[in-house]
Amino acid sequence: EPEVTQTPSHQVTQMGQEVILRCVPISNHLYFYWYRQILGQKVEFLVSFYNNEISEKSEIFDDQFSVERPDGSNFTLKIRSTKLEDSAMYFCASKKELEGNEQFFGPGTRLTVL
Amino acid sequence: GEDVEQSLFLSVREGDSSVINCTYTDSSSTYLYWYKQEPGAGLQLLTYIFSNMDMKQDQRLTVLLNKKDKHLSLRIADTQTGDSAIYFCAASPRDTGRRALTFGSGTRLQVQP
Repeated sequence: EPEVTQTPSHQVTQMGQEVILRCVPISNHLYFYWYRQILGQKVEFLVSFYNNEISEKSEIFDDQFSVERPDGSNFTLKIRSTKLEDSAMYFCASKKELEGNEQFFGPGTRLTVL
Repeated sequence: GEDVEQSLFLSVREGDSSVINCTYTDSSSTYLYWYKQEPGAGLQLLTYIFSNMDMKQDQRLTVLLNKKDKHLSLRIADTQTGDSAIYFCAASPRDTGRRALTFGSGTRLQVQP
């Protein structure tokens, strides 16, 4: 069964460093999302992406964040200068079509900022 | 914006039924979802219900929706130890153009053998 994959599973970085989190959505899906979950807190929406541009972003998704679909398969989240409070589990999700019912989530990347 | 609330913890005995409750605030929410998260794993979609339905059953899972009270519940029949996990309720609004999900805090289900 097709699934969303994410790499790495765990990333440790120093405060101020740039990180890139990678996702491979399901191949025929058109809508892509990033969410994050700070330990013990809710899963929060960051950004949605369609047709090579951002569809919507939350207040969390400030200028330190960017997303890209550099080729036909990868979907990346870049954090330009990480802060301690960026430590969280980051989930990628994809959906086949706008009116589709199901967002499929990847296993997540745990980001630890020291 | 949408706010989704859940109780934090539920403990049941193996074989009993579990009922996990959720409330939401945005009456325009069109789809309501239940996701399961096992330790160290991602979010697994269990089931969802469209807002014009009152009930949906899928094997051991029953979802009840009270649209008037904006209340959603997930009933797991014959709960097994493998059902121990965190269960997230999520809502998806339709008409705002935003298709992202708003999640509750999650309910940790502990199944005692």
